[in-house]
Amino acid sequence: AQKVTQAQTEISVVEKEDVTLDCVYETRDTTYYLFWYKQPPSGELVFLIRRNSFDEQNEISGRYSWNFQKSTSSFNFTITASQVVDSAVYFCALSVNAGNNRKLIWGLGTSLAVNP
Amino acid sequence: EAGVTQSPTHLIKTRGQQATLRCSPISGHTSVYWYQQALGLGLQFLLWYDEGEERNRGNFPPRFSGRQFPNYSSELNVNALELEDSALYLCASSPTGGTQYFGPGTRLTVL
Repeated sequence: AQKVTQAQTEISVVEKEDVTLDCVYETRDTTYYLFWYKQPPSGELVFLIRRNSFDEQNEISGRYSWNFQKSTSSFNFTITASQVVDSAVYFCALSVNAGNNRKLIWGLGTSLAVNP
Repeated sequence: EAGVTQSPTHLIKTRGQQATLRCSPISGHTSVYWYQQALGLGLQFLLWYDEGEERNRGNFPPRFSGRQFPNYSSELNVNALELEDSALYLCASSPTGGTQYFGPGTRLTVL
């Protein structure tokens, strides 16, 4: 069975702090995709990154970086020098293509509050 | 390029009524997905349409149904509304097998 666990329900930081959001996944498939989405208070889910299971290179995009480690089945997300606009719920998701069973398996999300 | 659009933004219904939610995908995307996000809960997968066919559905009763039109837009129908159907309904589109991009959602309130 596939599963995504985001153990941190809520995180509160002060602006300019670095913060890491954890994501641990379970799957027996060798081919899969991992995603991070951001959901600000407006409600719309914003796509941040997609990573396939064969690409373990870490990625940096501005203040955002992602650490993919297959050995620990983790795909963690770090925000450097956090800003108030980063306040949102962040979801990690797993996608496995298995014939007709293609869907995203979602974590429950981590609510990040960045305080001025 | 226009993103995924959903209408209406808000919908208020009473118990027992029917609700119809609409979604227009990004141009060129053939897959449409529907999710329910109830307050305090994560995203629950409802339905997946691709090329006009229902490809998969989540653990929801049959009163949740939908369809995809030839232009790939989609409609979600919820019959016999119950109070617990109150939620944010999110639509996403993707090219077949690709990344899902989400619309702003329809907030359904059942009184």
